[in-house]
Amino acid sequence: GQNIDQPTEMTATEGAIVQINCTYQTSGFNGLFWYQQHAGEAPTFLSYNVLDGLEEKGRFSSFLSRSKGYSYLLLKELQMKDSASYLCAVSGYSGAGSYQLTFGKGTKLSVIP
Amino acid sequence: NAGVTQTPKFQVLKTGQSMTLQCAQDMNHEYMSWYRQDPGMGLRLIHYSVGAGITDQGEVPNGYNVSRSTTEDFPLRLLSAAPSQTSVYFCASSGQGRTGELFFGEGSRLTVL
Repeated sequence: GQNIDQPTEMTATEGAIVQINCTYQTSGFNGLFWYQQHAGEAPTFLSYNVLDGLEEKGRFSSFLSRSKGYSYLLLKELQMKDSASYLCAVSGYSGAGSYQLTFGKGTKLSVIP
Repeated sequence: NAGVTQTPKFQVLKTGQSMTLQCAQDMNHEYMSWYRQDPGMGLRLIHYSVGAGITDQGEVPNGYNVSRSTTEDFPLRLLSAAPSQTSVYFCASSGQGRTGELFFGEGSRLTVL
């Protein structure tokens, strides 16, 4: 199986930088996703990492270290609209020649003025 | 751009009743899936399909049935609703298989009394 751990809640100030960590344990790692989910809405795709390093996309960046089983999502120049839950999801080998995507429980980020 | 469409958005059932949650996508995605999301539990996979005529169980399949007669549609059937099935249900599809970026429907909030 797969085990994913991320903080339950975080608070940050508008205009600041926040880093949301995700640690995971899995066999046959096949990629890591970050999704954003505003309250009462569906998750939407933010980023995908399969190789070590940093992927930058505008104000959002995602980092992966496969050897450490670790990823983080970095949000710069925080805006009030960034208040949402951020879901880490890991693809790993689930047996019988198949891979499975498992979601963490999500980190609820509150951006305050 | 319709993407993934789920109906109904809200439903209240009595224990023992049956119902079907509808899901349709217009992106010609082979992979479709159903998740449930409960507070503190994250997204959990119920059933998935890698193409028309093929379905398989996810992490929490008990009490649910699915079928995939066409590429576009993937309905989820609750056979005999129980209070434990009170949840928010999301249908998701991917053009890159089970480990690709997921496109989610808006969600269906189900309450079982």
